Amino acid sequence: DTAVSQTPKYLVTQMGNDKSIKCEQNLGHDTMYWYKQDSKKFLKIMFSYNNKELIINETVPNRFSPKSPDKAHLNLHINSLELGDSAVYFCASSRDRNYEQYFGPGTRLTVT
Amino acid sequence: DAKTTQPTSMDCAEGRAANLPCNHSTISGNEYVYWYRQIHSQGPQYIIHGLKNNETNEMASLIITEDRKSSTLILPHATLRDTAVYYCIVRALNSGGYQKVTFGTGTKLQVIP
Repeated sequence: DTAVSQTPKYLVTQMGNDKSIKCEQNLGHDTMYWYKQDSKKFLKIMFSYNNKELIINETVPNRFSPKSPDKAHLNLHINSLELGDSAVYFCASSRDRNYEQYFGPGTRLTVT
Repeated sequence: DAKTTQPTSMDCAEGRAANLPCNHSTISGNEYVYWYRQIHSQGPQYIIHGLKNNETNEMASLIITEDRKSSTLILPHATLRDTAVYYCIVRALNSGGYQKVTFGTGTKLQVIP
């Protein structure tokens, strides 16, 4: 059973398009996260939700909008995609806000 | 969060113990040491964490010095599947506020046949 799953695994799209990445966890965790890993492999937190409430919002363009319909899901919607948005996006979850995190397999986004 | 320093890369022979060091000389009393790893093209994987006592689980052992300024992650019998980037992170576990996890550049461990 997959603990943290993301769809799609690969996403290729053109500049200016709007796309969404979905994340689901079946661990019963209260906290979920989105991370971005760029081409230099730096992994940076973007957002975190605890019990559907946004608790951290790093310096991320407002073209990125997370949505948490329930505790088990945290989706990432990106408007007006730019070349610099190309990266691997990881979803993660943890039992509560300061516990160890469990990551999904990642979504490789390529903007052309 | 306290800053950590790790070697950029290390090699280890298959079947031998891999000892990955981490310096965290500015660690605070309430900060834990966490280790994650990222195998190529996969999401990071939690390994182990500790405060001041040595810890062991099915994946690894964590040795923290008495002054807590450094620690060592030990993979007792490295296999080729342990080839990955290993991240040492320190963070507090305050019940209020949120302590974000800051991944540095980590140590790239290459297990050699």
